[in-house]
Amino acid sequence: DSGVTQTPKHLITATGQRVTLRCSPRSGDLSVYWYQQSLDQGLQFLIQYYNGEERAKGNILERFSAQQFPDLHSELNLSSLELGDSALYFCASSVDRGDNSPLHFGNGTRLTVT
Amino acid sequence: GENVEQHPSTLSVQEGDSAVIKCTYSDSASNYFPWYKQELGKGPQLIIDIRSNVGEKKDQRIAVTLNKTAKHFSLHITETQPEDSAVYFCAAGLYNFNKFYFGSGTKLNVKP
Repeated sequence: DSGVTQTPKHLITATGQRVTLRCSPRSGDLSVYWYQQSLDQGLQFLIQYYNGEERAKGNILERFSAQQFPDLHSELNLSSLELGDSALYFCASSVDRGDNSPLHFGNGTRLTVT
Repeated sequence: GENVEQHPSTLSVQEGDSAVIKCTYSDSASNYFPWYKQELGKGPQLIIDIRSNVGEKKDQRIAVTLNKTAKHFSLHITETQPEDSAVYFCAAGLYNFNKFYFGSGTKLNVKP
């Protein structure tokens, strides 16, 4: 168990809808990362937050947004959903104090857009 | 940005044999190279990592080698076991900034 908690595990919704994915990082970790993994694809970096502030942006669509709250949990909001947004969404966390900070992944949220 | 290529995409070996997965990267500034194992229904789990000031690192049956000049690094698994069957991802990035770019993954199948 990595200590990173993601909810829900599964989400089925229709095109055009909006969903929120939630992530609780490991205790003591300040950074949260979001990754998208489509079928048989690698991990695409979406966005990183550090201690409440956006730190890095990857291939995140404008329809997607994220935030990190004062208690360090994070939410990824996906809106105007399209069929192609169906994927596994992973959250990872790290201590990120400049040394020895590997990423620890949660078990993901599987999003199915119908 | 960084571009990480990973080969092969699938690898099938007999139990007890060795498995080698190779990755190349493009950004010479990258200094941290972790490897992750993803089992079905789970998130990727860090199995070994190496920094650019080290050429090789070993942890029991797993080893990673790095050639900074050629910009490639490899994962070696010896005496493979069925529980090694999973998808393996390499990554390259900047350690201090936690920026990682992942390869496309290798599905390893260890046949009993």
